Amino acid sequence: GENVEQHPSTLSVQEGDSAVIKCTYSDSASNYFPWYKQELGKRPQLIIDIRSNVGEKKDQRIAVTLNKTAKHFSLHITETQPEDSAVYFCAASTGNQFYFGTGTSLTVIP
Amino acid sequence: NAGVMQNPRHLVRRRGQEARLRCSPMKGHSHVYWYRQLPEEGLKFMVYLQKENIIDESGMPKERFSAEFPKEGPSILRIQQVVRGDSAAYFCASSPRTGHTYNEQFFGPGTRLTVL
Repeated sequence: GENVEQHPSTLSVQEGDSAVIKCTYSDSASNYFPWYKQELGKRPQLIIDIRSNVGEKKDQRIAVTLNKTAKHFSLHITETQPEDSAVYFCAASTGNQFYFGTGTSLTVIP
Repeated sequence: NAGVMQNPRHLVRRRGQEARLRCSPMKGHSHVYWYRQLPEEGLKFMVYLQKENIIDESGMPKERFSAEFPKEGPSILRIQQVVRGDSAAYFCASSPRTGHTYNEQFFGPGTRLTVL
């Protein structure tokens, strides 16, 4: 089955700096890669996703890159703000099942 | 369009009792997924269902756990004879009908189960 690894597990950045979270996957059949943000006690919320037919996608301060050859994808948050503090999860899907990374706890220091 | 609904939001059970968790998917969604999240851990896949069918239950413990998604009504995750280790947040997610190549998942608010 698919194995998704996520790094780092914790990340602290100064407000205004960039944050990068990286994930790797093992199943070359995976073709959909969403990222979720989960605030304490809340549900995971989809923030951005990327399909296997593109290499990069951007939405305001958030961008995701995908390298299918190397089987890794990354989340980039620029100009971080305190409200970006949360746990971020990556996932990989073949279309049916979703496999999640173990999460990255991001703290943005004002 | 209401989002994914889960109830109860909080459930307390004593060891040995049964827990029933309900999930109503978004309107028009026929795929339901259940995940378990232990404190400060990631989301662990449990089961994937479509109406009246279990598609993938590879993440479900072999004993005490069962899930269904009947033709009418919500999906139910049932845990029999609960133990303390079952204490966790259980999230349901739904995604659109078959035919979509990429199915976005939308999560419910979760049910936080506490076993005393």
